[in-house]
Amino acid sequence: GAGVSQSPRYKVAKRGQDVALRCDPISGHVSLFWYQQALGQGPEFLTYFQNEAQLDKSGLPSDRFFAERPEGSVSTLKIQRTQQEDSAVYLCASSGTSGGILAKNIQYFGAGTRLSVL
Amino acid sequence: AQKITQTQPGMFVQEKEAVTLDCTYDTSDPSYGLFWYKQPSSGEMIFLIYQGSYDQQNATEGRYSLNFQKARKSANLVISASQLGDSAMYFCAMRELNFNKFYFGSGTKLNVKP
Repeated sequence: GAGVSQSPRYKVAKRGQDVALRCDPISGHVSLFWYQQALGQGPEFLTYFQNEAQLDKSGLPSDRFFAERPEGSVSTLKIQRTQQEDSAVYLCASSGTSGGILAKNIQYFGAGTRLSVL
Repeated sequence: AQKITQTQPGMFVQEKEAVTLDCTYDTSDPSYGLFWYKQPSSGEMIFLIYQGSYDQQNATEGRYSLNFQKARKSANLVISASQLGDSAMYFCAMRELNFNKFYFGSGTKLNVKP
């Protein structure tokens, strides 16, 4: 596609519900990232995929958070038993390259999913 | 320690004037990349400019330039001839060698006054 697409744009969940957030990266992009952005803050890294392999999940805040990218394109971030502190914007980004520092590895972002947990 | 520090929560600039947004970073890695993104109220992060740690010259992209001072570990964004459409949040980010994730600062909200 022309850009990174995320759905839904807005999600309201009751505390304790499970949610699934979808990311469609730019076609052909190898790398995919999820970030969490709290209100008034910069994005914080959650997890990273290279193709279908999840190479880094060090930023996932708890075992209630789970991400997958089974075919190396679309990715889903799942949050189980949502809590109020999970309320944030979840940003997805993709990059066409991976590798050393000489590669710019520019990340292209979607518009995010705003999750509100009541 | 914070990897990226942006000390200006908010800035005002008059239309058509230049403005500098500050960014300092912390890394012991000799190889890294620095990025600036713009986030309008719509929420999407828009890539503006990139500077590699080994680049000899400051990066420029149209009205955007990056004032890279390696010894001071600063990477300030300069926007020349500000436009009303430049009003947005601006984030500085860094990627270190062997890591693909970005570290972001807390952002600067820029308001351009007519």
